[in-house]
Amino acid sequence: GAVVSQHPSRVICKSGTSVKIECRSLDFQATTMFWYRQFPKQSLMLMATSNEGSKATYEQGVEKDKFLINHASLTLSTLTVTSAHPEDSSFYICSASKGQGTDTQYFGPGTRLTVL
Amino acid sequence: QQQVKQSPQSLIVQKGGISIINCAYENTAFDYFPWYQQFPGKGPALLIAIRPDVSEKKEGRFTISFNKSAKQFSLHIMDSQPGDSATYFCAASMGGNQFYFGTGTSLTVIP
Repeated sequence: GAVVSQHPSRVICKSGTSVKIECRSLDFQATTMFWYRQFPKQSLMLMATSNEGSKATYEQGVEKDKFLINHASLTLSTLTVTSAHPEDSSFYICSASKGQGTDTQYFGPGTRLTVL
Repeated sequence: QQQVKQSPQSLIVQKGGISIINCAYENTAFDYFPWYQQFPGKGPALLIAIRPDVSEKKEGRFTISFNKSAKQFSLHIMDSQPGDSATYFCAASMGGNQFYFGTGTSLTVIP
């Protein structure tokens, strides 16, 4: 199998606080993990690509200081939304790839972030 | 620039009918074309995928048709069921790197 989990599934926070979202590959080692953002009834927007042990590569327009990504192990990547504001409210989804030469990305169930 | 164009935006099909969703791409370097199914509040789940060396792939009621010369691929859902009601995304990638997603198709199968 290829199961990816995310925690938490939902989070509500006050404006100005930081929120950490975890993405774990449960039954495989993920060399590469991806973080997406999805607005209601819209497609997935890639935010960044992270490889274990190295700095994440951010897509154009994504603020690296606001969306901190850490990929400390082959099974865990975290996304921290720093000083969250209402406009950061969204559905955040991670995916994981088994490694070089494999194409399939396996998606987590997503995290619904609401910033009040 | 939208790398992968998907249509229609929404689709309503009677139970038992065939659902057809189309995608088109420009970059001939793409070598992997997956389809994902997403239910509300959930992450996308891989449904079926194809590479450019074959023109069709079938898995159960789901079939991908691939036209390399036209740079188009489509998803066919045979005998559509109400449980198939979801949003479907096509995607394209090259070498396992960044996925380019279509804009999604909301499918409703009515009993």
